Amino acid sequence: EVHLVESGGGLVQRGGSLRLSCAASGFTFSSYWMSWVRQAPGKGLEWVANIKLDGSAKYYVDSVKGRFTISRDNAKDSLYLEMNSLTAEDTAVYYCARWERDDVGGTYYYDSWGQGILVTVPS
Amino acid sequence: QTVVTQEPSFSVSPGGTVTLTCGLSSGSVSTTYWPSWYQQTPGQTPRTLIYSTSTRSSGVPDRFSGSILGNKAALTITGAQADDESDYYCVLYMGGGIYVFGTGTKVTVL
Repeated sequence: EVHLVESGGGLVQRGGSLRLSCAASGFTFSSYWMSWVRQAPGKGLEWVANIKLDGSAKYYVDSVKGRFTISRDNAKDSLYLEMNSLTAEDTAVYYCARWERDDVGGTYYYDSWGQGILVTVPS
Repeated sequence: QTVVTQEPSFSVSPGGTVTLTCGLSSGSVSTTYWPSWYQQTPGQTPRTLIYSTSTRSSGVPDRFSGSILGNKAALTITGAQADDESDYYCVLYMGGGIYVFGTGTKVTVL
């Protein structure tokens, strides 16, 4: 069974930094694209970043480019999100999510999610 | 970045049918946007319903179906049940590694 467990969240001051981790188990981590998705309190889901199987490609939503860095350690089955220059607008539950490939349709979709971790940046 | 639009809310009677849509602020949605749909009840993690426009994820009841309707992706719930009351999100692939969630639709069953 797939398990994704986030850690590292909490309260951080405006302009501060935080590093989120996601420990993966139950599958071959190095065979999957991974993603961070966030959800501000009472708001919808927002894709934040994706990382390729070997970490060679990374993509970000415009609002976090230059501030957030997604990375992975396949030897440790772990995904990370380094967040810098945090603002109140970054306050959200952050989910680690696995991308599955539909070999028939040739598409990708989210198929597994962690429970999420709350990051709070006071305004 | 492009805004992916969904209806803010829908109300459906038990046993009724409702169709949620997923559109673009400019342009038409097609299968090349790899539409997928997710259900989220308050306080819970999202659940995958549909991927590749119309493929149901494992364990998803066949009352959920996905399609392209006109210039939008669509999720239809046929024979709505009380536990279908949730928020529903679509995701579209914009190319270049970029994905965008829709604004979400709150479905009430009453």
